Amino acid sequence: DSGVTQTPKHLITATGQRVTLRCSPRSGDLSVYWYQQSLDQGLQFLIQYYNGEERAKGNILERFSAQQFPDLHSELNLSSLELGDSALYFCASSPRTGIGYTFGSGTRLTVV
Amino acid sequence: AQSVSQHNHHVILSEAASLELGCNYSYGGTVNLFWYVQYPGQHLQLLLKYFSGDPLVKGIKGFEAEFIKSKFSFNLRKPSVQWSDTAEYFCAVRGAGNMLTFGGGTRLMVKP
Repeated sequence: DSGVTQTPKHLITATGQRVTLRCSPRSGDLSVYWYQQSLDQGLQFLIQYYNGEERAKGNILERFSAQQFPDLHSELNLSSLELGDSALYFCASSPRTGIGYTFGSGTRLTVV
Repeated sequence: AQSVSQHNHHVILSEAASLELGCNYSYGGTVNLFWYVQYPGQHLQLLLKYFSGDPLVKGIKGFEAEFIKSKFSFNLRKPSVQWSDTAEYFCAVRGAGNMLTFGGGTRLMVKP
């Protein structure tokens, strides 16, 4: 157990639907990062939050959004899902920005 | 923008063989370099990292990596692999911004 908790572990949904992935960072970590791992794109950075505020944005689609709540957990919202959104979505946390990343076990999203 | 290239996509070795996985990055500024390992069905775990100082970095489980600035390389090595080293290995760089940019990964299979 890395200390970063992601739920759910697996998610199967239909095209066009919307899902929410949840991440609880390690205790004391202020930064949360979201990554997408797919067979064709590899591991790609999506977005980072630090203490509730968006800090950096990567290759995140407009259909995707995220937020970090006052208790520091984060949610990644994926809408109008397409088959190509099927991937493993990882969350990572760190005490400060860019230092000491710890990854969660990921949420495997399958869009059918 | 920074990028990372891992030359070997699949490597098959017998137990006790030596391992070297290549990693090259492109970024003109100061970089932090990482190697992560992902065992089947598990989250990414940090093997080692380079921030500054001695370019030969020792990590967990007998792994080491050498930062060669002139070659923009950060190759991972292990003198004698074990069956339990079967996993996927990712090189990553943190340059501009706070996110990690990952290479495409190398799948290592160690035959007993």
